[in-house]
Amino acid sequence: GENVEQHPSTLSVQEGDSAVIKCTYSDSASNYFPWYKQELGKRPQLIIDIRSNVGEKKDQRIAVTLNKTAKHFSLHITETQPEDSAVYFCAATDKVDKLVFGAGTILRVKS
Amino acid sequence: NAGVTQTPKFQVLKTGQSMTLQCAQDMNHNSMYWYRQDPGMGLRLIYYSASEGTTDKGEVPNGYNVSRLNKREFSLRLESAAPSQTSVYFCATGTPGSGNTIYFGEGSWLTVV
Repeated sequence: GENVEQHPSTLSVQEGDSAVIKCTYSDSASNYFPWYKQELGKRPQLIIDIRSNVGEKKDQRIAVTLNKTAKHFSLHITETQPEDSAVYFCAATDKVDKLVFGAGTILRVKS
Repeated sequence: NAGVTQTPKFQVLKTGQSMTLQCAQDMNHNSMYWYRQDPGMGLRLIYYSASEGTTDKGEVPNGYNVSRLNKREFSLRLESAAPSQTSVYFCATGTPGSGNTIYFGEGSWLTVV
């Protein structure tokens, strides 16, 4: 079945710097790749997603890129702010359209 | 429009007790899911229901049962709780392959002592 690996597991950046989180997936048929942000004690919330027919998508300071050939996708956060500190999860669809999640990345933005 | 509502939010159980987590969605999605989240383990799928009347096992189904009561409601039952089932449980709904991403409930914090 689908397997999603996420790196790094923790990431510390200075406020204003960029942060990049990378994920790889195993099922070449996967066609949907969302990213979720989870603050402490809260539910995961969608921040951006990308479909397999698109290579890049941007929403203000957040962007996602997809390389279908290499089966990897990445989250880019520019001009990081303290409120970006959270756990970030990537996910990919499997053969029956369920989401399989990566293990998560703890992002700490130091001010 | 509440989205996904789960109850209870917090529960402490003794080993061997049973309980049911309730979930309801008003987003008119066919698919519903139950995940558990443990530190460092991400979100692991327990059971899912692709439509009313159907349920399927996910990655970690042992020790759980589910019921898809109707399109809106999907419950998760622990028949004989074990300390290993201490976790945060999230209900979710959505059909990602069809353009509807997954939305999560607020979570249920369960402790088994």
